[in-house]
Amino acid sequence: DVKVTQSSRYLVKRTGEKVFLECVQDMDHENMFWYRQDPGLGLRLIYFSYDVKMKEKGDIPEGYSVSREKKERFSLILESASTNQTSMYLCASNGGYEQYFGPGTRLTVT
Amino acid sequence: RKEVEQDPGPFNVPEGATVAFNCTYSNSASQSFFWYRQDCRKEPKLLMSVYSSGNEDGRFTAQLNRASQYISLLIRDSKLSDSATYLCVVNPFGGYNKLIFGAGTRLAVHP
Repeated sequence: DVKVTQSSRYLVKRTGEKVFLECVQDMDHENMFWYRQDPGLGLRLIYFSYDVKMKEKGDIPEGYSVSREKKERFSLILESASTNQTSMYLCASNGGYEQYFGPGTRLTVT
Repeated sequence: RKEVEQDPGPFNVPEGATVAFNCTYSNSASQSFFWYRQDCRKEPKLLMSVYSSGNEDGRFTAQLNRASQYISLLIRDSKLSDSATYLCVVNPFGGYNKLIFGAGTRLAVHP
């Protein structure tokens, strides 16, 4: 079974803090993705990576950065958290057509 | 216009009912199509792929109409366990599987 894990289920951070969200997959997948999910808007792609140290911007990259130093790990960084970044963050990976998602991190920025 | 549009619902149906969800997409060059299912407070999971010829998996049937840029999902003999949000998903580019997700249609099946 493919497993995608995320470092936290719930996080509360203050405005201006630097926030790290970690994602690990155990299936040797090339591609990894970070999404945010908001009511009425669905999942929106923030960044994706198709190889170690390779990354591409998704549809809403502003205010975020990513790091992929190892194949199994893909980190999302909020450089200076803002209240409009309060959301559910979902990591995913795929080696074929199916994307496998982690359980999500609900981030609240106060 | 959103790239993938779905009726948000909710669809409230009794057990045993047949229910259909529709979805439209804007990019006529889109390569592949899927339905994902997301239970409350859980992550999305692939339900089924959608092919031009139509495909069936038990009580679930998916159809694609490329000319109208329209995707459908039919659920027959609804079960309580079918209650979830159904996400219409389009891959417009092929390649790295950069997917575009609809906002989802919520289904509630009641006894």
